[in-house]
Amino acid sequence: SQKIEQNSEALNIQEGKTATLTCNYTNYSPAYLQWYRQDPGRGPVFLLLIRENEKEKRKERLKVTFDTTLKQSLFHITASQPADSATYLCALLMDTGRRALTFGSGTRLQVQP
Amino acid sequence: GAVVSQHPSRVICKSGTSVKIECRSLDFQATTMFWYRQFPKKSLMLMATSNEGSKATYEQGVEKDKFLINHASLTLSTLTVTSAHPEDSSFYICSASEAGAYEQYFGPGTRLTVT
Repeated sequence: SQKIEQNSEALNIQEGKTATLTCNYTNYSPAYLQWYRQDPGRGPVFLLLIRENEKEKRKERLKVTFDTTLKQSLFHITASQPADSATYLCALLMDTGRRALTFGSGTRLQVQP
Repeated sequence: GAVVSQHPSRVICKSGTSVKIECRSLDFQATTMFWYRQFPKKSLMLMATSNEGSKATYEQGVEKDKFLINHASLTLSTLTVTSAHPEDSSFYICSASEAGAYEQYFGPGTRLTVT
């Protein structure tokens, strides 16, 4: 079965720096890879989706890359702010028919002021 | 746009009773809804997928007779935890997806505590 690894349980950075989070998977590449943000005690919030045949996607201060050769996605937050502190989840959509997502365990980002 | 509500946000019930959780898409039609369970500091575990008007598809290891899912309309799905036990205590989250879309919009979650 597909295994998803997000690089570290926690990441601490200084405000203004770029945060880079990693998502690695083990088996065949998903049709779509997605990133979500989750705050404590809340449901996840959709951020970005990238297709198997896309290399990069951007949205405001967010950038996602997808390398199917390395089986890896990188999620970047530029000019990070304390309000970006949250857990970020990587999710793979393997079956476009079922549309069910498989989530990684997440990386907790803490942006220090 | 793409707002999903969940009710109740918290519920405490006694062992052996049943609890119903509602999930509503407020501003879009959700052809597919998903139910997840999340343990502290763990990721989301998919329990089942439901399509409007059809029976839910349960993930391996999830008891369909214990976790009853109904998706009667394009804006409402319910999860009923029957004969709840303390080990059913968890954070339950629903999500919804529009036809042809692959991103999911999540509800705020329901914290269930079974005493």
